[in-house]
Amino acid sequence: AAGVIQSPRHLIKEKRETATLKCYPIPRHDTVYWYQQGPGQDPQFLISFYEKMQSDKGSIPDRFSAQQFSDYHSELNMSSLELGDSALYFCASSPWAGVPNNSPLHFGNGTRLTVT
Amino acid sequence: GEDVEQSLFLSVREGDSSVINCTYTDSSSTYLYWYKQEPGAGLQLLTYIFSNMDMKQDQRLTVLLNKKDKHLSLRIADTQTGDSAIYFCAERLTNQAGTALIFGKGTTLSVSS
Repeated sequence: AAGVIQSPRHLIKEKRETATLKCYPIPRHDTVYWYQQGPGQDPQFLISFYEKMQSDKGSIPDRFSAQQFSDYHSELNMSSLELGDSALYFCASSPWAGVPNNSPLHFGNGTRLTVT
Repeated sequence: GEDVEQSLFLSVREGDSSVINCTYTDSSSTYLYWYKQEPGAGLQLLTYIFSNMDMKQDQRLTVLLNKKDKHLSLRIADTQTGDSAIYFCAERLTNQAGTALIFGKGTTLSVSS
């Protein structure tokens, strides 16, 4: 079965540079979520999109932005990178299943960002 | 993971049962989830339970929910070395589309042979 595709798998950037992470959801999934997971930490929710509109917002820094495109893929743009941004960034997707909302998130394998 | 709490470590012997516990604080949670993460990998959905259920069984996995105490547990029967991983409990707070899951800090399960 098709899974969530994230690219790149690994990314090395220097401080103050920018980075763009891409996420391709499972076909027919209309919702994407971005999470950040630091070493030894639980996944922290950043932002989500439903039908190309921002849906829920978590602890996303102002230096980061994201969007969902007409083909439902999403990109996370990160600017003025800091050492503390080094983490595993996960994208997840889910279909909208109505109420009650049982739409388990299906995660990609993540992008490991290292800021030097 | 401030609203979802888990014990951090659990060590069991191969063939024993493992029980991973989780407490959550928001009584409006509708669905609760268990995810598994192996080193360097993504989060794999194991199972989930609706808040009006007490128990759900899926092969070696049994989920128990005590809604009054806001306590969720995952029991793994006949634990194998391949079950060694971090297990995250997660809750969804609202029914709106796009509402994120909030994760606990994860329980590291170590299985020895």
